[in-house]
Amino acid sequence: AQRVTQPEKLLSVFKGAPVELKCNYSYSGSPELFWYVQYSRQRLQLLLRHISRESIKGFTADLNKGETSFHLKKPFAQEEDSAMYYCALHSGNTPLVFGKGTRLSVIA
Amino acid sequence: GAGVSQSPSNKVTEKGKDVELRCDPISGHTALYWYRQSLGQGLEFLIYFQGNSAPDKSGLPSDRFSAERTGGSVSTLTIQRTQQEDSAVYLCASSLAAAPVNTEAFFGQGTRLTVV
Repeated sequence: AQRVTQPEKLLSVFKGAPVELKCNYSYSGSPELFWYVQYSRQRLQLLLRHISRESIKGFTADLNKGETSFHLKKPFAQEEDSAMYYCALHSGNTPLVFGKGTRLSVIA
Repeated sequence: GAGVSQSPSNKVTEKGKDVELRCDPISGHTALYWYRQSLGQGLEFLIYFQGNSAPDKSGLPSDRFSAERTGGSVSTLTIQRTQQEDSAVYLCASSLAAAPVNTEAFFGQGTRLTVV
């Protein structure tokens, strides 16, 4: 069965400090991995996807199949990064599965 | 419409009553999902519709929960004999296709259900 684990419920960092939000998954095939973000009073929205290998708002995430991880990183956190972050996995015709989420709080 | 639309935005109901939550997906999107979002539980998958395939109901927590999607478009999530533990935000999402095509799920604003 597919499973996504985000070990941290809450992560607090100071502005300008590096950020790493952890995500591990369990799936035997080749999944698609995503990070979704929900800012206060806004809809849940896609932040980035592993297949695009892109940097969005300074965030990057590398898929490590050996460690089955897809950690989200940003070298210098900004106050506007404060939000709820969800890691998600999708494969075949199975539904999109989310982790329990990590609330990032960036302190000025 | 511009995005996924859900109604109502808020619903307060008495324990034991039935409720219906509606989702209008983005036109042309073949995949539709329902999730439940509650504190400490993250996004809990409920049900998944993909085109004309039989829906994946594996996430429905009990037989009090059901959903249908008419004409491949609008979906209704029904909760019968509501309980206080059903209180949560119910989110609907749609996407253009299922994997392996790399797709993005677009979410509605959610329906906040409160059972009193």
